[in-house]
Amino acid sequence: ETGVTQSPTHLIKTRGQQVTLRCSSQSGHNTVSWYQQALGQGPQFIFQYYREEENGRGNFPPRFSGLQFPNYSSELNVNALELDDSALYLCASSLGGTGEAFFGQGTRLTVV
Amino acid sequence: DQQVKQNSPSLSVQEGRISILNCDYTNSMFDYFLWYKKYPAEGPTFLISISSIKDKNEDGRFTVFLNKSAKHLSLHIVPSQPGDSAVYFCAARLDSGNTGKLIFGQGTTLQVKP
Repeated sequence: ETGVTQSPTHLIKTRGQQVTLRCSSQSGHNTVSWYQQALGQGPQFIFQYYREEENGRGNFPPRFSGLQFPNYSSELNVNALELDDSALYLCASSLGGTGEAFFGQGTRLTVV
Repeated sequence: DQQVKQNSPSLSVQEGRISILNCDYTNSMFDYFLWYKKYPAEGPTFLISISSIKDKNEDGRFTVFLNKSAKHLSLHIVPSQPGDSAVYFCAARLDSGNTGKLIFGQGTTLQVKP
């Protein structure tokens, strides 16, 4: 049974650019949630995907978007990057939207 | 609007003693509360949870207590071990339809001294 894996682990982008982060969910899990963790803060819910459809969204602007693929892996896309987007981005997979969430190791994004 | 708060940024205890981590919340609609442990360069790892209809859940050295009237929960670790040193996040689940959105506190860094 493979766990949740995220790529890349670290990324540096310039303000105004676009970025795509990837997540492979744990085997058998059909739901993926994305969280942003700023320095010194707890993770904040961005959105959740269940069977390829967005299934709930937190307080993030539309330039944060996502996709879920038939194999339940997922992408987080952020357009028009801002300095405040610098954070650790965490992906969590679960069986169903309310199942126990298993987190990946995260992608550290730095916007300069 | 911080719905889940961990007011102690850090806690230091001696090995073998009890560690008590606290968490307060404001939303009475939360249906589950969870504790996660996080080591540097790793994602959060699930530790223990409690349903809003319970007041205590125990798993080995870890016990979570829920006081709904005070909107307060705590995690007790007995006995504390150096390997328990990590950042601990309290999280509350808001079940909206089939979306299990987790709302996290800011975290408490626990240091267990040998």
